[in-house]
Amino acid sequence: DIQMTQSPSSLSASVGDRVTITCRASQGISNYLAWYQQKPGKVPKLLIYAASTLQSGVPSRFSGSGSGTDFTLTISSLQPEDVATYYCQKYYSAPRTFGQGTKVEIK
Amino acid sequence: EVQLVESGGGLVQPGRSLRLSCAASGFTFDDYGMNWVRQAPGKGLEWVSGLSWNSDSIGYTDSVKGRFTISRDNAKNSLYLQMNSLRAEDTALYYCARSLDAYSFPYDYWGQGTQVTVSS
Repeated sequence: DIQMTQSPSSLSASVGDRVTITCRASQGISNYLAWYQQKPGKVPKLLIYAASTLQSGVPSRFSGSGSGTDFTLTISSLQPEDVATYYCQKYYSAPRTFGQGTKVEIK
Repeated sequence: EVQLVESGGGLVQPGRSLRLSCAASGFTFDDYGMNWVRQAPGKGLEWVSGLSWNSDSIGYTDSVKGRFTISRDNAKNSLYLQMNSLRAEDTALYYCARSLDAYSFPYDYWGQGTQVTVSS
């Protein structure tokens, strides 16, 4: 099975900083990669799919890139409301594995 | 308004069974793939199972194969997860989630979850 590895596991950044989270697949998955945001005590929210397509209603400060095995989620200017755990997921074929998550906090 | 409401969770002894349900409303249910995702206390998300709009395509994570069965009833706008031979490691909040498309695209709507606790 394909494994999904995120880095870092956690990060702390200042408001306004550019934040980058990486997700690596153990085998190529083309662009079948999604990113989710889960705020504390809340249900996950889809941010990006097809590696770089922004889901409707998601702020434009979020962006995704990559193909094959290496992907990134970028927050161009971190806001207080972005405090959350972020997960990547491969979704073309089963098992549709999530990464282990990256916890983002404000410094 | 799209709504997904899970039910059927509870406290169950190891080795016993439980059936989860997800009632869908606010959209044409048989146009979309559906999924179960779980989250153990303090842990990350784990995809459990998913099926296509017509149940022709079904998948499971390895740890539940042979024990869990996903199904749907499009006439009742409902998704199910039959969980047999439950283990302590199945303890989690179980979410029902709708795919963006009829098959396996990512999940744009999620229910609030139903808690499953496996303990003697």
